[in-house]
Amino acid sequence: GQQVMQIPQYQHVQEGEDFTTYCNSSTTLSNIQWYKQRPGGHPVFLIQLVKSGEVKKQKRLTFQFGEAKKNSSLHITATQTTDVGTYFCAGDDNFNKFYFGSGTKLNVKP
Amino acid sequence: DSGVTQTPKHLITATGQRVTLRCSPRSGDLSVYWYQQSLDQGLQFLIQYYNGEERAKGNILERFSAQQFPDLHSELNLSSLELGDSALYFCASSERQVREEQYFGPGTRLTVT
Repeated sequence: GQQVMQIPQYQHVQEGEDFTTYCNSSTTLSNIQWYKQRPGGHPVFLIQLVKSGEVKKQKRLTFQFGEAKKNSSLHITATQTTDVGTYFCAGDDNFNKFYFGSGTKLNVKP
Repeated sequence: DSGVTQTPKHLITATGQRVTLRCSPRSGDLSVYWYQQSLDQGLQFLIQYYNGEERAKGNILERFSAQQFPDLHSELNLSSLELGDSALYFCASSERQVREEQYFGPGTRLTVT
């Protein structure tokens, strides 16, 4: 069945280092969304990408949707302790099914 | 605060029992989504309602059902509970029918003993 995998599962970085999480789907997605969930909190919407090859930036965060619309990435430049949390990708396949990725847990050491 | 409310915050019940989780969407949002988050399964989409009608179904068990009422609040009913149903249940809402930006509630933590 459909799977949306994210790598890495965990990432520990020193504050100031960059961080990237990758999202890979077994089938084409019509869109990709990214969410952040702080420890003990609920997912918070970050962004949605719809077009093939689309790149969007939010301050230190850069989001990319692959040309084949089967993968996506989130890159954080110069991480801060406030970036700690789990980052999830999510998307619709072409059969109106919605999937969340397995998540990447980011820990930032001060 | 996302504007989505969920009650109760915590629920502890025994196997075989039935519980109802409640969600009130953000003002103006017509879509309500239910998700289950467990340690081994991650975040799983269960079901979506739009303006009272079922819009999409995910990995929702037959023992689970949901509905959205005319005032747009939604309830998720879980019956014949099993230990494996212990999880965090999130409700989310969005303005339209398409799965765009979703606002998540604080969740209901269900523990089945």
